[in-house]
Amino acid sequence: KAGVTQTPRYLIKTRGQQVTLSCSPISGHRSVSWYQQTPGQGLQFLFEYFSETQRNKGNFPGRFSGRQFSNSRSEMNVSTLELGDSALYLCASSEGSGEKLFFGSGTQLSVL
Amino acid sequence: ELKVEQNPLFLSMQEGKNYTIYCNYSTTSDRLYWYRQDPGKSLESLFVLLSNGAVKQEGRLMASLDTKARLSTLHITAAVHDLSATYFCAVGEINNNDMRFGAGTRLTVKP
Repeated sequence: KAGVTQTPRYLIKTRGQQVTLSCSPISGHRSVSWYQQTPGQGLQFLFEYFSETQRNKGNFPGRFSGRQFSNSRSEMNVSTLELGDSALYLCASSEGSGEKLFFGSGTQLSVL
Repeated sequence: ELKVEQNPLFLSMQEGKNYTIYCNYSTTSDRLYWYRQDPGKSLESLFVLLSNGAVKQEGRLMASLDTKARLSTLHITAAVHDLSATYFCAVGEINNNDMRFGAGTRLTVKP
């Protein structure tokens, strides 16, 4: 079975731009979650989607949004990028909520 | 607010030695997770602990959960170099992927 696939692997953007990150979950997994990892704040939950519905949302500003498609693939979008948005964005899929998470390799976003 | 504290944050140990990583959390929770992250890599799930007294073992790693003390431990037996990585504990609930992660314990196993 293929693992969780995230694209792109690396991104460089400038302040004020917007970015879209993509995640393909493991086949059969209906839950997709997004996490932000930074050296200062560690791993922080962004949001979870299950069957195309946002199930939970972390404490991030509205600039961070996401969606899930009928094939369970998910995208997250960050608008009006700030320097502090530089981070590793990890997508994880699971069979259901609260189950073991399978993480992708992440997208390393650098905002200049 | 739920807080998850790991200690130590850095651990350097000799091959063949035993050691324990501790994970304390501040409020009642349904389940406890352990993950491993190699440098520049993503996270790999190690264990999911669901109930008080749960113990799980995989190779040289054994995890346990004491929900009354709000404490989980990850015990390393006879460490080998391949175990060098950062280990995270995370606390979560049923039907919710909003897991709160600890800061991680960076383990270095030296020959």
